[in-house]
Amino acid sequence: AQSVTQLDSHVSVSEGTPVLLRCNYSSSYSPSLFWYVQHPNKGLQLLLKYTSAATLVKGINGFEAEFKKSETSFHLTKPSAHMSDAAEYFCVVSPHPMDSSYKLIFGSGTRLLVRP
Amino acid sequence: SQTIHQWPATLVQPVGSPLSLECTVEGTSNPNLYWYRQAAGRGLQLLFYSVGIGQISSEVPQNLSASRPQDRQFILSSKKLLLSDSGFYLCAWSVRSSGNTIYFGEGSWLTVV
Repeated sequence: AQSVTQLDSHVSVSEGTPVLLRCNYSSSYSPSLFWYVQHPNKGLQLLLKYTSAATLVKGINGFEAEFKKSETSFHLTKPSAHMSDAAEYFCVVSPHPMDSSYKLIFGSGTRLLVRP
Repeated sequence: SQTIHQWPATLVQPVGSPLSLECTVEGTSNPNLYWYRQAAGRGLQLLFYSVGIGQISSEVPQNLSASRPQDRQFILSSKKLLLSDSGFYLCAWSVRSSGNTIYFGEGSWLTVV
């Protein structure tokens, strides 16, 4: 069965310092992986996605993630945090390719706090 | 480009009253459509998904229902709301041509009082 684990429920960084949000997945096939961001009282916005092309994926707002099959990880990083990055981040894995409903599997979320 | 509209953005409803949340997608055809709920401080729960007109699958037994009267229209309803129905409801869509990436609407805050 497919699953995704976000290792930290909360991450706090200072503005201008690097961001690391950790995600591990479990899958019996080659999955597609996504990171979404959710600002307070807003919908989820796609940050980036991995679909078996380059293992280093660049997204919007300076975020990037690296797919590491050997570690079953898809960690999200950003070199320098900005106050506007404060939000909830979700790591998501695609379902089995034979699942025609295409129901995504969501991690429990990581809340990023950026200190001035 | 594709856009998704969801309304109303917020609503406060008394217990036992009906509910109707509407979602429409523009700029694409035959999308998969989804309704998610996000309770305060919790993750996303898939409520319904639809792969075509009139085709609705329910993920969680509850007093909510969904309908898809048109290709790009998805409606979430209830005949009688419960306090436990309060939460943030998100409509979403995907198509296989976009790599099955799911795109979300802005959400609807429902408070049942």
